[in-house]
Amino acid sequence: SQQGEEDPQALSIQEGENATMNCSYKTSINNLQWYRQNSGRGLVHLILIRSNEREKHSGRLRVTLDTSKKSSSLLITASRAADTASYFCATDAWYGNKLVFGAGTILRVKS
Amino acid sequence: DTGVSQNPRHKITKRGQNVTFRCDPISEHNRLYWYRQTLGQGPEFLTYFQNEAQLEKSRLLSDRFSAERPKGSFSTLEIQRTEQGDSAMYLCASSLVPLAGVTNEKLFFGSGTQLSVL
Repeated sequence: SQQGEEDPQALSIQEGENATMNCSYKTSINNLQWYRQNSGRGLVHLILIRSNEREKHSGRLRVTLDTSKKSSSLLITASRAADTASYFCATDAWYGNKLVFGAGTILRVKS
Repeated sequence: DTGVSQNPRHKITKRGQNVTFRCDPISEHNRLYWYRQTLGQGPEFLTYFQNEAQLEKSRLLSDRFSAERPKGSFSTLEIQRTEQGDSAMYLCASSLVPLAGVTNEKLFFGSGTQLSVL
């Protein structure tokens, strides 16, 4: 079963705009991670935020985590056509030994 | 660091045939995971190894599925008597987890094996 649920399912924006994706999950976690997947390829790790962190930055990426609401958001600033991909959140539940992925958000950046 | 390698990239088979996929993880990584992904969905966990020991299997992994990781290096995933519902992308990932740790740090994924069962 998939613990994380991303919102929206699909997002289409113009190059240069910001893109925000949200993830909700169900159980207590050790950390939450975001991955990107280009069509037909494997997933690439983007950023990890631990349960005791509230915000993290990496380049054009900003991730927030609200453990009280069991939700996270990924912000991509100044988007580029190369950012076109599917984005998945994955949770590392405190009781588990594996990452559980959501269904993903498909991002399309138009140039 | 040559990354995670999966072979073959694509496999087309007829229903009822057996197929085997191979995954070569990053050499120093002690954990290896298999996930399955269907179109429009996120990866679903199948099984994972800590070194050579298979520590967890999903209920998705029926008796027709078997995975091995001899000597804690490469891994194989075999599907016997394939069914059309087995058609999916099979993803392998590896990570380095401290022996005393229980949290999962970032996973490194291979490009996957796309299986089509006709």
